[in-house]
Amino acid sequence: DAGVIQSPRHEVTEMGQEVTLRCKPISGHNSLFWYRQTMMRGLELLIYFNNNVPIDDSGMPEDRFSAKMPNASFSTLKIQPSEPRDSAVYFCASSSGAANTGELFFGEGSRLTVL
Amino acid sequence: KQEVTQIPAALSVPEGENLVLNCSFTDSAIYNLQWFRQDPGKGLTSLLLIQSSQREQTSGRLNASLDKSSGRSTLYIAASQPGDSATYLCAANQAGTALIFGKGTTLSVSS
Repeated sequence: DAGVIQSPRHEVTEMGQEVTLRCKPISGHNSLFWYRQTMMRGLELLIYFNNNVPIDDSGMPEDRFSAKMPNASFSTLKIQPSEPRDSAVYFCASSSGAANTGELFFGEGSRLTVL
Repeated sequence: KQEVTQIPAALSVPEGENLVLNCSFTDSAIYNLQWFRQDPGKGLTSLLLIQSSQREQTSGRLNASLDKSSGRSTLYIAASQPGDSATYLCAANQAGTALIFGKGTTLSVSS
């Protein structure tokens, strides 16, 4: 299996621009998670989906962030407008079963720099 | 709300030493506890998953234990090697929730 695939791996943009991060989970996995990692705060859960339905989005920082999962093999995380404090590594992960079951597998991450 | 803590933040050991990494959590009603490894600039690699009904899991030179009553998990690494140098993160969840992560312990093994 190819594992969790994220794109782009690196993104540099200017404040105010729209950023879209993409994720393809492992085939057959029905739970998908978006995490953000910074030096100060570590890994924080942003949102997770089960069977394409958002279950917990309490970690989404504010209205500038939105996530979608239109089908079982694709998810996006969008930031509009972006701000310098959004600079971080954004990870997508997937697992089989509901959120509290199964081993979690991560992608390589998307490193976002907002100037 | 579950909180996961890892102490120390960094650890340096000579090659060949056995070592223990510590993880503590505030809510003992956990469902899964999972240990990960992260190399610089890379994603997280799953090492071991301990489910709530289990006390420990082993993979090669790694052994992870879980004590829910004391709110602790340990990752034991036997005969450490320079290739073990990385950041190790533990994460726990409760029923119906996603994994909550500690901030990790950065391990350096010198040859």
